[in-house]
Amino acid sequence: KAGVTQTPRYLIKTRGQQVTLSCSPISGHRSVSWYQQTPGQGLQFLFEYFSETQRNKGNFPGRFSGRQFSNSRSEMNVSTLELGDSALYLCASSLGLVAGVGFGETQYFGPGTRLLVL
Amino acid sequence: KNEVEQSPQNLTAQEGEFITINCSYSVGISALHWLQQHPGGGIVSLFMLSSGKKKHGRLIATINIQEKHSSLHITASHPRDSAVYICAVRIDNYGQNFVFGPGTRLSVLP
Repeated sequence: KAGVTQTPRYLIKTRGQQVTLSCSPISGHRSVSWYQQTPGQGLQFLFEYFSETQRNKGNFPGRFSGRQFSNSRSEMNVSTLELGDSALYLCASSLGLVAGVGFGETQYFGPGTRLLVL
Repeated sequence: KNEVEQSPQNLTAQEGEFITINCSYSVGISALHWLQQHPGGGIVSLFMLSSGKKKHGRLIATINIQEKHSSLHITASHPRDSAVYICAVRIDNYGQNFVFGPGTRLSVLP
């Protein structure tokens, strides 16, 4: 079974631009979560999607948004990029056997997208 | 005070040593995860715990819900165990549901 894939793997943008990152979960997984990792703040939870609905959201500004499609693939978008948005963005999928379980299931992580904002 | 703390922050061990990494949290949780992150960024989920103890190969994870504490043990450590180990918890009834510890950087020397 193929693992979680993320595209692109590397990205360079300038301040003020917007960016869209993509995540394809493991086949059969219905829950997708997004995380940001920076040297200063470590890993932080962005949001979680289940069956095309945002189920949980972390403490990030509205510039960070996401969506999930009917095939469980997910995208996250960051608008008006700031230098501080430079980070490794990770997505993880889980089975989503029980709605609302969220992080109560084993998470399978993708390799991440490394975003550099200049 | 961070909701999730780990100790030690850094750990260097000789191959074959028994290693313990600790995680403590200050709020009620419904699940705790131990993650392993190798250089380059890839993260692997090692364990998910809500009670008791789990074992997988040379790795053992325990959790004490009453004391709000979890430990990750590595027996017969090997250089390939060198990585950052991260404790993560799902906090119930909290705006930011999933909180990560700062990580423990482990280096196992041959």
